[in-house]
Amino acid sequence: SQQGEEDPQALSIQEGENATMNCSYKTSINNLQWYRQNSGRGLVHLILIRSNEREKHSGRLRVTLDTSKKSSSLLITASRAADTASYFCATWAIQGAQKLVFGQGTRLTINP
Amino acid sequence: DAGVIQSPRHEVTEMGQEVTLRCKPISGHNSLFWYRQTMMRGLELLIYFNNNVPIDDSGMPEDRFSAKMPNASFSTLKIQPSEPRDSAVYFCASSTGTGLAWEQFFGPGTRLTVL
Repeated sequence: SQQGEEDPQALSIQEGENATMNCSYKTSINNLQWYRQNSGRGLVHLILIRSNEREKHSGRLRVTLDTSKKSSSLLITASRAADTASYFCATWAIQGAQKLVFGQGTRLTINP
Repeated sequence: DAGVIQSPRHEVTEMGQEVTLRCKPISGHNSLFWYRQTMMRGLELLIYFNNNVPIDDSGMPEDRFSAKMPNASFSTLKIQPSEPRDSAVYFCASSTGTGLAWEQFFGPGTRLTVL
């Protein structure tokens, strides 16, 4: 069964607003990672949060992890037009298939 | 650092032809991954290598697909014969460490169109 599933599938906000994307998964994980993909480009790693961590920050990014709910959220504060991209969560499970499994992604559009 | 390098960036071929995709990982990285991305199936891991050895090829769709890593700086993904359903963007990624739990660095991808 697929691990990470992002919500919403698409999000459109005004520049300067905050954007929140959610990820749910099904099995116990070692870590969860967020990636960004600009149109026509490869994925870029944003942040990795381990199963024993609850929150992590990187610049305007804030990631939370709730292992009891098997969910994570990515918050982008003070959004910019350059943040327009697709955002993927990826999980590394403790058991089962030993591979990084990506969700379908959230398409984020920042309107100027 | 040049990052992960993939070639070609675009490939258009006819059904039945052989296709070879190439990847040069970041120097010093010892894990290499091949992914396929389509609208329908999202991003799928096809195969990964650790220290040039294939570790998990369970994602390779069928025998028409094969991958090699003859040395630490080069890998190929071959499709023979190609079919229209193979049309997708193929990404190569690399990482340090010995497991998949590390962050991965992706190349720009090869957009394959099989007519």
